[in-house]
Amino acid sequence: NAGVTQTPKFQVLKTGQSMTLQCAQDMNHEYMSWYRQDPGMGLRLIHYSVGAGITDQGEVPNGYNVSRSTTEDFPLRLLSAAPSQTSVYFCASSSPDRRGYTFGSGTRLTVV
Amino acid sequence: GEDVEQSLFLSVREGDSSVINCTYTDSSSTYLYWYKQEPGAGLQLLTYIFSNMDMKQDQRLTVLLNKKDKHLSLRIADTQTGDSAIYFCAESLGSGNTGKLIFGQGTTLQVKP
Repeated sequence: NAGVTQTPKFQVLKTGQSMTLQCAQDMNHEYMSWYRQDPGMGLRLIHYSVGAGITDQGEVPNGYNVSRSTTEDFPLRLLSAAPSQTSVYFCASSSPDRRGYTFGSGTRLTVV
Repeated sequence: GEDVEQSLFLSVREGDSSVINCTYTDSSSTYLYWYKQEPGAGLQLLTYIFSNMDMKQDQRLTVLLNKKDKHLSLRIADTQTGDSAIYFCAESLGSGNTGKLIFGQGTTLQVKP
């Protein structure tokens, strides 16, 4: 089925470790973004991209890096994991008409 | 700055109508969305409305937009237990698509049998 695929679904990291959360979409959407969801705070934008080779920071970018080498993929890298990065991470994509952003099923990350 | 606010909790009886409210702050032309999130799941787009519209209806869902007050509401008719979930209001910032959505904190809808 067409959509946004996130891997892994669950991950436990130790403080200081690094990892990459994967996000791929097969809808040829130009726009992709990463959000984190914390209890009682809704979703907050980490980084976003309006096309291959173009990325920008969102509301809470510190501690995260992104790159967009292809239209399909938008990985999120945690450089040195901290307990404050324990959260559920969602990737989303959209076409320019803005009539709906499609979300992945999320990655639940715990940093101990 | 940009902000989207929602009430945090709503409880209704099965068969009643539910009304979930949201306020937003961006004054430019924008799309506004309602998403549903069930426990442990991702976000499901329910409906959207463009800021030059007053109302949109889709089966049991009615979205009302008051542009003057920057107030958005989602009405669910004949609410069912399967409608129990968290509902997020979101705003797409600016006149072009930057991929940026601003979300409210989410309203937990509890439907009692």
